[in-house]
Amino acid sequence: DAGVIQSPRHEVTEMGQEVTLRCKPISGHDYLFWYRQTMMRGLELLIYFNNNVPIDDSGMPEDRFSAKMPNASFSTLKIQPSEPRDSAVYFCASSSGTANEKLFFGSGTQLSVL
Amino acid sequence: QKEVEQNSGPLSVPEGAIASLNCTYSDRVSQSFFWYRQYSGKSPELIMSIYSNGDKEDGRFTAQLNKASQYVSLLIRDSQPSDSATYLCAVNMVTYNTDKLIFGTGTRLQVFP
Repeated sequence: DAGVIQSPRHEVTEMGQEVTLRCKPISGHDYLFWYRQTMMRGLELLIYFNNNVPIDDSGMPEDRFSAKMPNASFSTLKIQPSEPRDSAVYFCASSSGTANEKLFFGSGTQLSVL
Repeated sequence: QKEVEQNSGPLSVPEGAIASLNCTYSDRVSQSFFWYRQYSGKSPELIMSIYSNGDKEDGRFTAQLNKASQYVSLLIRDSQPSDSATYLCAVNMVTYNTDKLIFGTGTRLQVFP
């Protein structure tokens, strides 16, 4: 299995632009998580899905952030418009069973908003 | 108060020594606890999970849990330079409609030869 696949690995954009991050979970995993990691705040849960349905989006910073999971093999996290404070590493993770099962993380997307 | 707290470090130990990493959490009803290791520039990977009070050993790693004190720790015996990484404590937080993992900010461990 190729593991959790994220794209792009790096994204540099200018403030105000739309950013779309992509994730392909491990086949058969029914939970998908989006995390954001910064030095100051560590690893923060933004949103998670179970069987393609959003369960908890309380970590989404504001309306500029949105996430979708149109099918079991694909999810997107969109930021529109982007701001410099959104600069971080965004990780996608998947698991089977429950949120307490082992999380498998993707390689992350390093986002820089200038 | 943060939900999961860790000392950011760095914690520096000589090769062969025992490294002790600590974590406290705020949610008294949490039942599941995890330690993830993250090498610089890489993604986190699970190394230990613990669900009951007491110790759980896996090779050179021992996780310790004390629910009464809301405290979980990770001991690394015979530390190696390859253990140098950031160690993230994760705790499940349960509310009426969600059950999710909350991570601490991590403790950076440096093992020097």
